[in-house]
Amino acid sequence: LAKTTQPISMDSYEGQEVNITCSHNNIATNDYITWYQQFPSQGPRFIIQGYKTKVTNEVASLFIPADRKSSTLSLPRVSLSDTAVYYCLVGRGTGFQKLVFGTGTRLLVSP
Amino acid sequence: GAGVSQSPSNKVTEKGKDVELRCDPISGHTALYWYRQSLGQGLEFLIYFQGNSAPDKSGLPSDRFSAERTGGSVSTLTIQRTQQEDSAVYLCASSLGVGGLGTEAFFGQGTRLTVV
Repeated sequence: LAKTTQPISMDSYEGQEVNITCSHNNIATNDYITWYQQFPSQGPRFIIQGYKTKVTNEVASLFIPADRKSSTLSLPRVSLSDTAVYYCLVGRGTGFQKLVFGTGTRLLVSP
Repeated sequence: GAGVSQSPSNKVTEKGKDVELRCDPISGHTALYWYRQSLGQGLEFLIYFQGNSAPDKSGLPSDRFSAERTGGSVSTLTIQRTQQEDSAVYLCASSLGVGGLGTEAFFGQGTRLTVV
């Protein structure tokens, strides 16, 4: 499984765009990049997943450069409710493999 | 059920006692995962199941920890002779178990275990 590195914490203000970058230099050809969000006292929940280029859904965008050695989760116009820990995972989707979560990025959104 | 269900939601036990934590995955999900999360920490992988088989048990902290899954559905995580350092939230997740874009793991709300 490819190791991931992401910032331990980030601070932002309401209404700003937040970009969280994850490094995964050893990503394999058949690996996908998946991001999860975890609020206090809850289990993580899936945000977005991609393989290359750009993926966008109603929650976030995921930018993946051509070499796929990093990825950036972009949260547009964050609100206080986006305060959470964000985890980047690299692997073959969830197909019969252990999902290893790193330490994640703790995002704090202030008024 | 509509989501992953874990029981009990909270468990307080005395040091040295055995505990069983239960996970009901989403119907049809063949992959099931157990994690442990201590206060303020990340998720520590414990074990995952592919159907009823556990290909990877490397995350189990000691031989006091065991897990089983029956009928490709419900899973039980058992901790024998609990110790205070076992206190944590134990999270279970399930997924369709096939790789590829769009697959995701769904988590339960967890069981908060406190060993006193």
